[in-house]
Amino acid sequence: GNSVTQMEGPVTLSEEAFLTINCTYTATGYPSLFWYVQYPGEGLQLLLKATKADDKGSNKGFEATYRKETTSFHLEKGSVQVSDSAVYFCALRGGKTIFGAGTRLFVKA
Amino acid sequence: DTAVSQTPKYLVTQMGNDKSIKCEQNLGHDTMYWYKQDSKKFLKIMFSYNNKELIINETVPNRFSPKSPDKAHLNLHINSLELGDSAVYFCASSLAGRTDTQYFGPGTRLTVL
Repeated sequence: GNSVTQMEGPVTLSEEAFLTINCTYTATGYPSLFWYVQYPGEGLQLLLKATKADDKGSNKGFEATYRKETTSFHLEKGSVQVSDSAVYFCALRGGKTIFGAGTRLFVKA
Repeated sequence: DTAVSQTPKYLVTQMGNDKSIKCEQNLGHDTMYWYKQDSKKFLKIMFSYNNKELIINETVPNRFSPKSPDKAHLNLHINSLELGDSAVYFCASSLAGRTDTQYFGPGTRLTVL
């Protein structure tokens, strides 16, 4: 069946550092891929998405590229801020939506 | 103004009790969902309702029963609560066929003692 694997957290970075959160998937067919963010005390919000191979999703300085050859959808940001501290979920949709376990990010000032 | 709202925000109860969590959305969506987020932050879909019909049930125990009185509401009723039910439960909604853009509620933290 379909599955999503994210790097384990927590990830702790200093402000303005480069961020990468790895996400790989297994799926039949051609799923859509997503990153969701959960800020403390809030529900999930869609951060970005890509619906086909080589698509790049981007939002709020975050980017992720749908890599079919490596079955990956790694989340990157060039310069993180304290306000980016949250839990990030990778997800895929191939009929039903499956979420990864989430990666907690702490950004220190 | 709240798009997806849940009540209560916190729920503490004893094992064996029956409890309900309410969810309402004012977005005009016709599909609603319930997710369970456990202590390790795993987020798992429990139910999805489209036009008041159940379309997904991820092998959730039958102690959990979603109830949708209308398109804007999807309540979660839990019978005979167990310790392992302790988690944060999230409600979400979307347009039918647009499951990629789901709007989530703030969550309900359930603690079973």
